[in-house]
Amino acid sequence: AQSATQLGSHVSVSEGALVLLRCNYSSSVPPYLFWYVQYPNQGLQLLLKYTSAATLVKGINGFEAEFKKSETSFHLTKPSAHMSDAAEYFCAVRPSGGYNKLIFGAGTRLAVHP
Amino acid sequence: DTGVSQDPRHKITKRGQNVTFRCDPISEHNRLYWYRQTLGQGPEFLTYFQNEAQLEKSRLLSDRFSAERPKGSFSTLEIQRTEQGDSAMYLCASSLSLAGEDEQFFGPGTRLTVL
Repeated sequence: AQSATQLGSHVSVSEGALVLLRCNYSSSVPPYLFWYVQYPNQGLQLLLKYTSAATLVKGINGFEAEFKKSETSFHLTKPSAHMSDAAEYFCAVRPSGGYNKLIFGAGTRLAVHP
Repeated sequence: DTGVSQDPRHKITKRGQNVTFRCDPISEHNRLYWYRQTLGQGPEFLTYFQNEAQLEKSRLLSDRFSAERPKGSFSTLEIQRTEQGDSAMYLCASSLSLAGEDEQFFGPGTRLTVL
């Protein structure tokens, strides 16, 4: 069965520091992978997606993620955190083929302090 | 139309009552999804429509839950005889099917509290 596992339910960084949010996936076939962000009382917004093209994916707001098949990982990074990055981040996997439901990880809450 | 809308945003009900939520997708989107998100968890898939056809239902969708998309536009999710365990955020998403992959756009959700 396909799954997305996020390591660390809470991550705290200083403003200007590197952001690293970890996601490992499980899939028997090459998956599509996504990162979404959720601000309080809002829906999910797509940050970036991997669809078997380039392994380094650039998204919005300065975020990027690298697909590593050997590690079954799709970690999200941003070189310099901003206060406005504080939110909940979700990794999701969608197996290629079949219908398009997303399977989400449990989420990582990012806190950014001055 | 600037995005997916959901109504109501909040619903408080007593155990045993029926509730219905509405989702209006982005107008040209032919796919519509319902997810449920409980506190501290990621969204869990409930059901999926392509146009008016309901093509997949999760085991999470018990007999008390029913979803419709009668004309392939808006969708409703009804929960009968609500239980406290139904308290959650119900998210709707829509997408436009293209060759290969499509992006799901999420609405703001309906937060259900069952007392």
